[in-house]
Amino acid sequence: GEDVEQSLFLSVREGDSSVINCTYTDSSSTYLYWYKQEPGAGLQLLTYIFSNMDMKQDQRLTVLLNKKDKHLSLRIADTQTGDSAIYFCAERPAGFQKLVFGTGTRLLVSP
Amino acid sequence: DTAVSQTPKYLVTQMGNDKSIKCEQNLGHDTMYWYKQDSKKFLKIMFSYNNKELIINETVPNRFSPKSPDKAHLNLHINSLELGDSAVYFCASSQDTGAKGYTFGSGTRLTVV
Repeated sequence: GEDVEQSLFLSVREGDSSVINCTYTDSSSTYLYWYKQEPGAGLQLLTYIFSNMDMKQDQRLTVLLNKKDKHLSLRIADTQTGDSAIYFCAERPAGFQKLVFGTGTRLLVSP
Repeated sequence: DTAVSQTPKYLVTQMGNDKSIKCEQNLGHDTMYWYKQDSKKFLKIMFSYNNKELIINETVPNRFSPKSPDKAHLNLHINSLELGDSAVYFCASSQDTGAKGYTFGSGTRLTVV
């Protein structure tokens, strides 16, 4: 089935690292994604990872994938107040041309 | 140079009315989507079109009718609006199978009163 879970809230201080976690259920998913949504805005693709990889780094962002446990995480290094937003993970089930989104994690970064 | 543009950005209307939301993409993508985001920020796909052909219709009431006049446009028409239709509707597009992700519009906030 399709079910992508995330914790609802995360609060960190500026300069700390943030880790946002996600669990998914569809083991056929070939690609997994992280999107950012700022207030009143659309979704911005941050990064994606292919299912045969276990890590991807892109500047301050590090994605870790544990395919056995169906667990995905996004680490943001040196978190800034501008990183405050809702972060969605998403899976793309094999054979389906759609993204299934998680419940979203609201990240609050305080100065 | 907006990649995926939706109009209008805000729409307030009474129950029972019929309304349309328009979407256009200038990325040359061949697949377009409509997603609905509810008040708890949960996002769910409604429709997907590839080269003007419907490929996904995710148990959406038939009051919702998408129309794709060409592969750069995907409009959403809603008949007999209900209070529960209040949400933010996002249009998105992707190239081919969308493996490298989708590009989203900025959303249309629909409020039914």
